[in-house]
Amino acid sequence: DGGITQSPKYLFRKEGQNVTLSCEQNLNHDAMYWYRQDPGQGLRLIYYSQIVNDFQKGDIAEGYSVSREKKESFPLTVTSAQKNPTAFYLCASSGRQGAENTGELFFGEGSRLTVL
Amino acid sequence: KNQVEQSPQSLIILEGKNCTLQCNYTVSPFSNLRWYKQDTGRGPVSLTIMTFSENTKSNGRYTATLDADTKQSSLHITASQLSDSASYICVVSGYYGQNFVFGPGTRLSVLP
Repeated sequence: DGGITQSPKYLFRKEGQNVTLSCEQNLNHDAMYWYRQDPGQGLRLIYYSQIVNDFQKGDIAEGYSVSREKKESFPLTVTSAQKNPTAFYLCASSGRQGAENTGELFFGEGSRLTVL
Repeated sequence: KNQVEQSPQSLIILEGKNCTLQCNYTVSPFSNLRWYKQDTGRGPVSLTIMTFSENTKSNGRYTATLDADTKQSSLHITASQLSDSASYICVVSGYYGQNFVFGPGTRLSVLP
């Protein structure tokens, strides 16, 4: 079945360590996104990519990095520079809106990162 | 500033009752509005999507309405079930369906 796969689902990190969250999609979508979700807040955009080998900063990119070497993959690295990395991270993808595509946003199941 | 507001912040109802969640937005230009359901610890799942020309859309017991003039939307849940307990997120998108703006969500709890 088509969809978005995030891994790991749970991750614990010591302060000062970098960690990488995986996101893979087989929906043939051009655009991919990373969001951060904190309790009581709306999703906040970290990075997005609309095409392979290109990505743009979102609203809260500081302390994070991404790559888009393949259409299917958009990994997120949480670096030691991120001051408060404990959160729920969601990856999403969408196709281009057109006559046959609503441009709907599909989400993965999320990755919960906890800094010890 | 593009914003999406939702009310109430949280809601508790008894199983079998109906409820209505509200979404107000200031996103411009407007492309479409979506409602998502997010179970605790899971990714959001799409319930409905409406474009400018649509003013109502149903998905089973979920019915969404849109008033593009007043920039308001509602999500009505009929005959609630325990499995409806979740957060409901309103998302508005701008140019070409991109530029997604998220509301903070309404946390719904359905009690037996």
